[in-house]
Amino acid sequence: DAGITQSPRHKVTETGTPVTLRCHQTENHRYMYWYRQDPGHGLRLIHYSYGVKDTDKGEVSDGYSVSRSKTEDFLLTLESATSSQTSVYFCATIPGTDYEQYFGPGTRLTVT
Amino acid sequence: KNQVEQSPQSLIILEGKNCTLQCNYTVSPFSNLRWYKQDTGRGPVSLTIMTFSENTKSNGRYTATLDADTKQSSLHITASQLSDSASYICVVSAVTNAGKSTFGDGTTLTVKP
Repeated sequence: DAGITQSPRHKVTETGTPVTLRCHQTENHRYMYWYRQDPGHGLRLIHYSYGVKDTDKGEVSDGYSVSRSKTEDFLLTLESATSSQTSVYFCATIPGTDYEQYFGPGTRLTVT
Repeated sequence: KNQVEQSPQSLIILEGKNCTLQCNYTVSPFSNLRWYKQDTGRGPVSLTIMTFSENTKSNGRYTATLDADTKQSSLHITASQLSDSASYICVVSAVTNAGKSTFGDGTTLTVKP
């Protein structure tokens, strides 16, 4: 699992509240990613990072922001959670140059 | 637009039987194709990764094939086990996309005793 942990693993929050999800890796990998997974959509890229303070948007970035102040941590923030952001969120890293990804265990977020 | 399409969407087989899952892609220029297994409630785990020059890659009872000319890949599972019940995801990366990948929606495999 490339030493990837996600926290929290489960969260229920109310519409309009801010939420921050944390991804932590212990392998010093350069690339880190945030995906969401919903039934019928597969995994969709939200944001990714290619180094400390270097981030870029994915295909479903609206309503999300990220930060990476240290190599090991990649934070995903929902500034004002909406019910459409109810999903399972996965973090991933790339250990090598072939883009094979290692995924974390996921965070199940429910916005009521 | 880069796309990855998987078929069938779901599949039910009996334990011990073989099965083949399909993946068609339009990602270009092609870099690599990966197959992942995702158990319910867990993150995807890599099974195989293939580059342009590779036609076949095996990982135990899993064998992936790649035809870069027709842009098709298959994942063959031999002598299925109950533990093979999972979602299988095909993922393709393009050379120019600096780490971005295109994910298929997955095939859900159920192995019954």
